[in-house]
Amino acid sequence: GAGVSQSPSNKVTEKGKDVELRCDPISGHTALYWYRQRLGQGLEFLIYFQGNSAPDKSGLPSDRFSAERTGESVSTLTIQRTQQEDSAVYLCASSTRTGMNSPLHFGNGTRLTVT
Amino acid sequence: AQSVTQLGSHVSVSEGALVLLRCNYSSSVPPYLFWYVQYPNQGLQLLLKYTTGATLVKGINGFEAEFKKSETSFHLTKPSAHMSDAAEYFCAVSDRTAGNKLTFGGGTRVLVKP
Repeated sequence: GAGVSQSPSNKVTEKGKDVELRCDPISGHTALYWYRQRLGQGLEFLIYFQGNSAPDKSGLPSDRFSAERTGESVSTLTIQRTQQEDSAVYLCASSTRTGMNSPLHFGNGTRLTVT
Repeated sequence: AQSVTQLGSHVSVSEGALVLLRCNYSSSVPPYLFWYVQYPNQGLQLLLKYTTGATLVKGINGFEAEFKKSETSFHLTKPSAHMSDAAEYFCAVSDRTAGNKLTFGGGTRVLVKP
């Protein structure tokens, strides 16, 4: 079946521009997560959604970062006034619920390069 | 707060040799532990997980990991490496709250030599 889909797969943008990253989770998955993976580093948690609500936004690095989810489906991560330090792979994951035994299913990520 | 440390950002093994990837964690509550694998140009896939019960956990592709509470470790092993095992491996711990937020280690990239 279809997995988690992210678009675009690659994005190159100029410093100061805004970008939107999209995540289509697996159908029926109520929980959705955003992570960031900088070159040579592990994954950093950004935010998660239960349905359309975001109970934990603690990982968002600054107020330039925001995310929303609609229809308990698609989520968009927006980065305003991008900086070079924002360059990373942004990964989205979904799971059937936020229970501890529910495995996360990851997308292939969006590679963001800020020039 | 939780943290995960993976010893060695790169590991090189010969085909047929033992694969051992080390993971140590810190957690204020009994942990749920995971290993994920990321093949080139693909998303992360779950290899195995420990939640409760048996401390030796078997996963896909012949991998297994043992939870050792006294050592706060969850090392990943495979008796005989295959060329297809070349990938990056991530250890993660769950905060065990309703959010199931995972804290990841820095990853270990495995190179398999013929």
